[in-house]
Amino acid sequence: QITLKESGPTLVKPTQTLTLTCTFSGFSLSTSGVGVGWIRQPPGKALEWLALIYWDDDKRYSPSLKSRLTITKDTSKNQVVLTMTNMDPVDTATYYCAHSPYYYGSGSYYKNDWFDPWGQGTLVTVSS
Amino acid sequence: SYELTQPPSVSVSPGQTARITCSGDALPKQYAYWYQQKPGQAPVLVIYKDSERPSGIPERFSGSSSGTTVTLTISGVQAEDEADYYCQSADSSSVVFGGGTKLTVL
Repeated sequence: QITLKESGPTLVKPTQTLTLTCTFSGFSLSTSGVGVGWIRQPPGKALEWLALIYWDDDKRYSPSLKSRLTITKDTSKNQVVLTMTNMDPVDTATYYCAHSPYYYGSGSYYKNDWFDPWGQGTLVTVSS
Repeated sequence: SYELTQPPSVSVSPGQTARITCSGDALPKQYAYWYQQKPGQAPVLVIYKDSERPSGIPERFSGSSSGTTVTLTISGVQAEDEADYYCQSADSSSVVFGGGTKLTVL
């Protein structure tokens, strides 16, 4: 059974850097094709993809937030860390991490770009 | 990256069929995925690769694709299906979500 859980501060001040940790179990980020993504959702609004990291350290970022985001992995700890710089009140949202499964076919492993399952999410409020 | 467009809301009576559309220029070339999100809960994948259903998802959920539009169909809608539904797709470098559709079961 795959589970993920987000952790980090619930309140950050404007201009500060947010650091969130996703701790997971039931899979390994050393497995070919596997990835972990971050997605956020402002209160009452739609989902917004932020970043995705794969087993081979391939990293992908939202074009609109790329300059503020860094995603890293610690395979030995089963953790993925997302940092977001220069936080603003508009960044107030529930932040989710999610597993991206591999696809195996024709004798090879392939990356995917969908998410299943998701963590429970963590609400981060940006306010002075 | 590109955009995915969904209707803000869809309403159906119990037992009827709900169809939620998602439009995007890249959809003829890229797979689409659908998530269900109930209030206060994390999203759950209900359809992947346009029309595949994960294990544990009821058979009344199905997906289809035609040109630049993908459709999530819920046959025999039940009260428990009332939720927000999001489509998602990706290109070679980024992931995109639609704006979400609120399904109301009358």
